[in-house]
Amino acid sequence: AQSVTQLDSQVPVFEEAPVELRCNYSSSVSVYLFWYVQYPNQGLQLLLKYLSGSTLVESINGFEAEFNKSQTSFHLRKPSVHISDTAEYFCAVSYGGATNKLIFGTGTLLAVQP
Amino acid sequence: DTGVSQNPRHKITKRGQNVTFRCDPISEHNRLYWYRQTLGQGPEFLTYFQNEAQLEKSRLLSDRFSAERPKGSFSTLEIQRTEQGDSAMYLCASRRETGGAIGELFFGEGSRLTVL
Repeated sequence: AQSVTQLDSQVPVFEEAPVELRCNYSSSVSVYLFWYVQYPNQGLQLLLKYLSGSTLVESINGFEAEFNKSQTSFHLRKPSVHISDTAEYFCAVSYGGATNKLIFGTGTLLAVQP
Repeated sequence: DTGVSQNPRHKITKRGQNVTFRCDPISEHNRLYWYRQTLGQGPEFLTYFQNEAQLEKSRLLSDRFSAERPKGSFSTLEIQRTEQGDSAMYLCASRRETGGAIGELFFGEGSRLTVL
């Protein structure tokens, strides 16, 4: 079955520390990978995506994720977090096809502490 | 900039009542998706439309649920005879689908349903 696993439901971290949010997906020939962020009382916003090409993708606010096909992973990293990064982060995968629907993980709450 | 708009944002209803949610996608977006999100879970796919045609429905969408997109613009999601298990956030998302390319999916802020 097609699925996405986010093993960490919550990741507490101090401000300016590095962080990694883990994401693994069930294997397939071709996948498209996404990270969405949800701030309190707001809708989901696209953070970054991997469609093809370079396996390392970056967002405008310092996050990056690397597509690792052999490990079927797409972990999200940031070298130095800010209080404002506190939010729920969802990894999602699309296996293409006619539907092109996104399958989401259960989310990881990044809690940045001063 | 008009994003995806959902109404109402919150709905509290008694078990057995019918509720309807509306989604106005970004104009010219031909694809519209409905998702459901419960506490501690990620969004789960319910159904999607290509213009006015409903092309796929999840097993999660029981016969009490019906969705429409009559003119290929706004969409409604109706839940009949609501049950407490229907309590969730209902998310709408839209994208412009062209020739199989993976366009960005834009989400609304959701409609939160509480069934008492």
